[in-house]
Amino acid sequence: AQKVTQAQTEISVVEKEDVTLDCVYETRDTTYYLFWYKQPPSGELVFLIRRNSFDEQNEISGRYSWNFQKSTSSFNFTITASQVVDSAVYFCALMKSARQLTFGSGTQLTVLP
Amino acid sequence: GAVVSQHPSWVICKSGTSVKIECRSLDFQATTMFWYRQFPKQSLMLMATSNEGSKATYEQGVEKDKFLINHASLTLSTLTVTSAHPEDSSFYICSARDGTVRDYGYTFGSGTRLTVV
Repeated sequence: AQKVTQAQTEISVVEKEDVTLDCVYETRDTTYYLFWYKQPPSGELVFLIRRNSFDEQNEISGRYSWNFQKSTSSFNFTITASQVVDSAVYFCALMKSARQLTFGSGTQLTVLP
Repeated sequence: GAVVSQHPSWVICKSGTSVKIECRSLDFQATTMFWYRQFPKQSLMLMATSNEGSKATYEQGVEKDKFLINHASLTLSTLTVTSAHPEDSSFYICSARDGTVRDYGYTFGSGTRLTVV
């Protein structure tokens, strides 16, 4: 069975602080994909990143960075110098074999001015 | 990039009526469509998976006679909530992928907020 755990339900930071959102996953598959999505108050899901299980290189995109560690089954997401516009719910998700996504419970991030 | 147009974005209906939600893929073939439901402050829960031209596969606990899914073409899938009740009020969102290309990306619709009164 697959499972994605986002232990942080809500996080509040002050603008310009760095924040890390945790994601731990469980799967018995050797081939799988991990995703991060942002869901602003309007509801649509904004794709942030996809990572396959064979690529453990960390990735940086602007203020966003991702740390994938298979040894601990974690795929954490860091926002550097957070901004108010980063306020949203962030979901980590797991997919195996081109099938449906299994989502974590989400982390509500609030960035205060 | 790939776009999925989902309509309506919000709908209010009376208890006992039916509501149809449409998802159209623009510029790509949605060989597979996933339908999710999200209750307030909760995660997205998969309701069903449909492949074009085939009957949808429903997740455990989802009533197939209540949530009718049609995926008759490669660009259109619909979800009909039949005899809606207040407990069906939720955010419904579709996700499409093009199975003809080697790409494990998903394109989500913008979601439909259903309120049953």
